[in-house]
Amino acid sequence: EPEVTQTPSHQVTQMGQEVILRCVPISNHLYFYWYRQILGQKVEFLVSFYNNEISEKSEIFDDQFSVERPDGSNFTLKIRSTKLEDSAMYFCASGLGLANTGELFFGEGSRLTVL
Amino acid sequence: AQSVTQLGSHVSVSEGALVLLRCNYSSSVPPYLFWYVQYPNQGLQLLLKYTTGATLVKGINGFEAEFKKSETSFHLTKPSAHMSDAAEYFCAVRPRSGGGADGLTFGKGTHLIIQP
Repeated sequence: EPEVTQTPSHQVTQMGQEVILRCVPISNHLYFYWYRQILGQKVEFLVSFYNNEISEKSEIFDDQFSVERPDGSNFTLKIRSTKLEDSAMYFCASGLGLANTGELFFGEGSRLTVL
Repeated sequence: AQSVTQLGSHVSVSEGALVLLRCNYSSSVPPYLFWYVQYPNQGLQLLLKYTTGATLVKGINGFEAEFKKSETSFHLTKPSAHMSDAAEYFCAVRPRSGGGADGLTFGKGTHLIIQP
């Protein structure tokens, strides 16, 4: 069964460093998303991406964040200068859009720890 | 803006007892409705979804949920709890319009504890 894959599963970084989280969405999906879950809190929407551009973004997704689909398969989230409060689990998701009931398929997540 | 309310951050039931996790949404138009489960140190797995048609939907692992428009609710139930059901459960909604750019809006989650 097709699945969304994310790497790395866990990354530890120093405050101020740049981090890139990678995702390989399901191959025929059209919409791509990043979500964040701070430990013990709810899952929060960061950004959606369609047709090679950002479609929607939340207030969390400030100038420190960027997304890119550098080739036909990868979808990346970059945090330019990490802060302590960026420590969280980051989930990538993909979907076919509302024409397919709106279901999103999630990856296993990338846990980011900022020291 | 849509919002999702899950009543009870923690729910504890005995093994074999009924599981009831509550979810209410606020939206002028009923959205797509989802329940996701998150086991410790794992990702989000879809339990079930309501899109259209029959308001009682069945999902994996014996769970089901009923969409009640009049109550703006989508409560999750399971007749008999099993120890393996211990996990975090998230209710989520998504608007029916917009084409797909809008992501899911999640509730705060309910931690289900199963007592032996």
